[in-house]
Amino acid sequence: RKEVEQDPGPFNVPEGATVAFNCTYSNSASQSFFWYRQDCRKEPKLLMSVYSSGNEDGRFTAQLNRASQYISLLIRDSKLSDSATYLCVVISNDYKLSFGAGTTVTVRA
Amino acid sequence: DGGITQSPKYLFRKEGQNVTLSCEQNLNHDAMYWYRQDPGQGLRLIYYSQIVNDFQKGDIAEGYSVSREKKESFPLTVTSAQKNPTAFYLCASSISTGAESQHFGDGTRLSIL
Repeated sequence: RKEVEQDPGPFNVPEGATVAFNCTYSNSASQSFFWYRQDCRKEPKLLMSVYSSGNEDGRFTAQLNRASQYISLLIRDSKLSDSATYLCVVISNDYKLSFGAGTTVTVRA
Repeated sequence: DGGITQSPKYLFRKEGQNVTLSCEQNLNHDAMYWYRQDPGQGLRLIYYSQIVNDFQKGDIAEGYSVSREKKESFPLTVTSAQKNPTAFYLCASSISTGAESQHFGDGTRLSIL
């Protein structure tokens, strides 16, 4: 089983729609969680950290479910510029960093 | 501006040739990392360094070598022993190898001629 798994998508949504997807992790002792955004043929860029209580940054909401070992990302009021691949990153208690393969989101006009 | 600079952006290698990818950061970060990304896959860790003159193998170190003679520099050599080197290579840094997020360079695309 992979340490971090994501639905590759693609999620094709119209502008203004809400899209949400999850990332599951296998190590129950994982301590830190992040969502990165990667545009085609570019480097990943940090989108947001994921806190235990859940957190929001504008149209983006991230949540952590430790019991079921997954994190989620929700994008409200999707924009064309939200089209990208979203990478889930999990850091274990021994500081090992694992990346998911990414979920591709395509927002259409 | 502070950041991570990778060069070259595109690199071509002949069979049996070693090539070196450059990574420089001026963020004063202690930790630096090299990842490889293949289509449809997540980033896989090749090597990482927590401090100058020290580095550790990642998950896929075979066929690669690194050095960390200066805090700001962490070059990666793709040796002829790496049989499938065509990939997108990303260098990253963080304040330490703790639980912080990482900053990435723009990446180098390596292809075999």
